[in-house]
Amino acid sequence: QQPVQSPQAVILREGEDAVINCSSSKALYSVHWYRQKHGEAPVFLMILLKGGEQKGHDKISASFNEKKQQSSLYLTASQLSYSGTYFCGTGSEVGGADGLTFGKGTHLIIQP
Amino acid sequence: DAGITQSPRYKITETGRQVTLMCHQTWSHSYMFWYRQDLGHGLRLIYYSAAADITDKGEVPDGYVVSRSKTENFPLTLESATRSQTSVYFCASSEYREQYFGPGTRLTVT
Repeated sequence: QQPVQSPQAVILREGEDAVINCSSSKALYSVHWYRQKHGEAPVFLMILLKGGEQKGHDKISASFNEKKQQSSLYLTASQLSYSGTYFCGTGSEVGGADGLTFGKGTHLIIQP
Repeated sequence: DAGITQSPRYKITETGRQVTLMCHQTWSHSYMFWYRQDLGHGLRLIYYSAAADITDKGEVPDGYVVSRSKTENFPLTLESATRSQTSVYFCASSEYREQYFGPGTRLTVT
């Protein structure tokens, strides 16, 4: 079953923070986050595994709550380059070796 | 150049015709995937492969056929194209965790 992302869309000013949520009705082994700019391929951001770990690079981080079957992506002090559509993908095996089930995406627009 | 490529990038075909979308990766990744992307649906898995000669169905496999005789290639064939198969098709490869996506093929079935 497809994970549910919220919000569907968000518009921010440069420098503001954003949170994108991803929830699933199925038990999760891993959550993958991707960003896609218009007309381009999705690009991998990070993967979170069971254990509630939080990962991040630069000003983008994410958490994974295994019990609640949820993950959240945090974008701090957003930059214009952060604009795009963010997808979470859930895997039934570690690493998503049998493919990912993606949410419908969250459209993020960063304005100057 | 190393990476993952798809061809053609754009294709227009007629209903009922057979069409093959090509995917080639130079990393020797074990895993390869085909997704389709449609407005309102996000990315949906069509087929995946864990190695040469090993393929399996994903979420939306009906109307599609795949093969993988070589590690680096993973072609997707629409045996008899229908208008509902108009979409953007992405191929991806992975060795362990992160998936690397190709540039996509925009297919229109008229």
